[in-house]
Amino acid sequence: AQSVTQPDIHITVSEGASLELRCNYSYGATPYLFWYVQSPGQGLQLLLKYFSGDTLVQGIKGFEAEFKRSQSSFNLRKPSVHWSDAAEYFCAVAPSGAGSYQLTFGKGTKLSVIP
Amino acid sequence: NAGVTQTPKFRVLKTGQSMTLLCAQDMNHEYMYWYRQDPGMGLRLIHYSVGEGTTAKGEVPDGYNVSRLKKQNFLLGLESAAPSQTSVYFCASQGQGNQPQHFGDGTRLSIL
Repeated sequence: AQSVTQPDIHITVSEGASLELRCNYSYGATPYLFWYVQSPGQGLQLLLKYFSGDTLVQGIKGFEAEFKRSQSSFNLRKPSVHWSDAAEYFCAVAPSGAGSYQLTFGKGTKLSVIP
Repeated sequence: NAGVTQTPKFRVLKTGQSMTLLCAQDMNHEYMYWYRQDPGMGLRLIHYSVGEGTTAKGEVPDGYNVSRLKKQNFLLGLESAAPSQTSVYFCASQGQGNQPQHFGDGTRLSIL
């Protein structure tokens, strides 16, 4: 069974600083990988996804993530954080293949932004 | 464009009561999912459906039942609510092929 580890429960950064959120996964083959963001009281919004191909993935809101097979990682980055980025971020993994897939989520990283 | 709509948004139940959560999607998606979110646990899959009339168990199915009588709707039922089922419930839908799952805004359920 696959699993996802987000080592950082809570991260605080200053507005304008760079950001990297870590995600490590355990899975026997190359999985599908996702990052979702959740603002308080809201549902999950997809930031970006990796199915195959280029290992550097661009997403919405200026986020990007890089799939590193050798490290089983899919870290999320943003060069300059805005106050509106304060939210909780979830990394998720699913077995690759066509059709329906079951997402396994990490426990999330809460991001606080200092003005 | 409504996307994935969950009703109700909030509900308080007493132990032993029953209720049904409704998820409706207007994207003609084939696949639908129910998750629960608990503090510090991320989201965990309860049940899912790969098409009208079909359902399957996820990671934490005990105490829940589901039905997919219409393609656009996926119902989650609690026959006899327990305090351990206090959670935020999220529904998601997904189109065929390499498509991401789209989430609703959640239902906050408290069981006293």
